[in-house]
Amino acid sequence: GDSVTQMEGPVTLSEEAFLTINCTYTATGYPSLFWYVQYPGEGLQLLLKATKADDKGSNKGFEATYRKETTSFHLEKGSVQVSDSAVYFCALSERSYIPTFGRGTSLIVHP
Amino acid sequence: KAGVTQTPRYLIKTRGQQVTLSCSPISGHRSVSWYQQTPGQGLQFLFEYFSETQRNKGNFPGRFSGRQFSNSRSEMNVSTLELGDSALYLCASSPDRSSYEQYFGPGTRLTVT
Repeated sequence: GDSVTQMEGPVTLSEEAFLTINCTYTATGYPSLFWYVQYPGEGLQLLLKATKADDKGSNKGFEATYRKETTSFHLEKGSVQVSDSAVYFCALSERSYIPTFGRGTSLIVHP
Repeated sequence: KAGVTQTPRYLIKTRGQQVTLSCSPISGHRSVSWYQQTPGQGLQFLFEYFSETQRNKGNFPGRFSGRQFSNSRSEMNVSTLELGDSALYLCASSPDRSSYEQYFGPGTRLTVT
């Protein structure tokens, strides 16, 4: 079945550091890929998405490129801020419509 | 547009009791999904409703049930609560079943004592 694997957290960075959160997936077809973010005490928010190979999703300085050859969708940001501290979830959706989520990666950014 | 709302936000129940959680989707959204989030298991899919019909169901016991009303509002019910049911219950809505994007509410924090 479909699955999503994310790097274990927490990821701890200083403000203005470069961020990469790795995400790889297993799917039988050509899924849509997503990154969601969950701030403390809140639900998940859609951060960005990509629907086909080589698409790049971007939002709020975050980017991720759909790499079919490596089945990856790594999240990157050039300069993180304290306000980016949150839990990030990689997810995919395929024919079944219901998203498959990774376990989440906690990001902690220090001033 | 107002976002997804969930009520109540916090709930404390005793083992053996039952609980009903409510979700109001974004206006115009017809699909509603429910998830259970725990530190140990992460985000687990409970069920999805569209046009008042359950379309998908996750791997949860029959104690977990739900329904959707004609205005797309949804409720989920958990009967005979167990300690392990303590979790954050998240509701998400989508415009229809062709869109894979989901819009989440803030969740209901259920504590079972």
